[in-house]
Amino acid sequence: KQEVTQIPAALSVPEGENLVLNCSFTDSAIYNLQWFRQDPGKGLTSLLLIQSSQREQTSGRLNASLDKSSGRSTLYIAASQPGDSATYLCASSGSARQLTFGSGTQLTVLP
Amino acid sequence: NAGVMQNPRHLVRRRGQEARLRCSPMKGHSHVYWYRQLPEEGLKFMVYLQKENIIDESGMPKERFSAEFPKEGPSILRIQQVVRGDSAAYFCASSPEGTGTNQPQHFGDGTRLSIL
Repeated sequence: KQEVTQIPAALSVPEGENLVLNCSFTDSAIYNLQWFRQDPGKGLTSLLLIQSSQREQTSGRLNASLDKSSGRSTLYIAASQPGDSATYLCASSGSARQLTFGSGTQLTVLP
Repeated sequence: NAGVMQNPRHLVRRRGQEARLRCSPMKGHSHVYWYRQLPEEGLKFMVYLQKENIIDESGMPKERFSAEFPKEGPSILRIQQVVRGDSAAYFCASSPEGTGTNQPQHFGDGTRLSIL
C-alpha cells in the first residue's frame, strides 16, 4: 500500500526566499506524481504533473523533480511571494488511477 | 471553460438524515473521482467512476455510502443516515479520456458537510 509523506508540515519564510518542499513515497511503481496547492476553504489547484518517465517539470517560478528510485519528489519555489502562502500537497498515482496524498506542507510567506 | 462544479458548497444535516453531493465534471471529462478530507487529516480516495460504471470503490465505507455517475447529469455521492463522523470536506475530481494515468485530475472546490 502506497504511503506518501511530506516534510516539513509547516514552513514560514520571508518574502523573496527560495524554498524546497519535500515529498516521499514508499512504492516506486508510480505512474505519475502531481503537486497541488490548496487555499483555506477552497479546492485543489493542480500545479505540476511529472510522469514516471520524467525527471522534472517547470512552470514559472515552480520546479518539481522526481526520483523514482529513491521515492522522492521536491517542489522548488523561487523568489517566494506572500501570494504563495497556501498548503501544498503532493499525490502519487499508480495503475489504479486513484491519487494517494501526503498530509501537506502549510507554507506562509511573510511580507 | 468551466471547471469541476460541485454543489452545494456547504451542507448541514442532522444525524440520521441523508446527504446528496453533486459533481459535474469538466466538459469532455468522463472519469470522476471522489475524495474525502476529514478534519486535520489528508485527502483519502473514496471511489472512481466512469459514465454509468463504478470502476474502483475500494475507499468507500461499506455501509451508508453510495456513488453513481449516470449517462446524463452529474455524479452523485449519497450518504444515508449520516453520523457526526461524516463531517468532512468532500472533493470531486475529473480527468479526460486518453492515456489514463498520465492525465492530471482537476478538482472542484468541494462540499463541506456538517452533521449536527
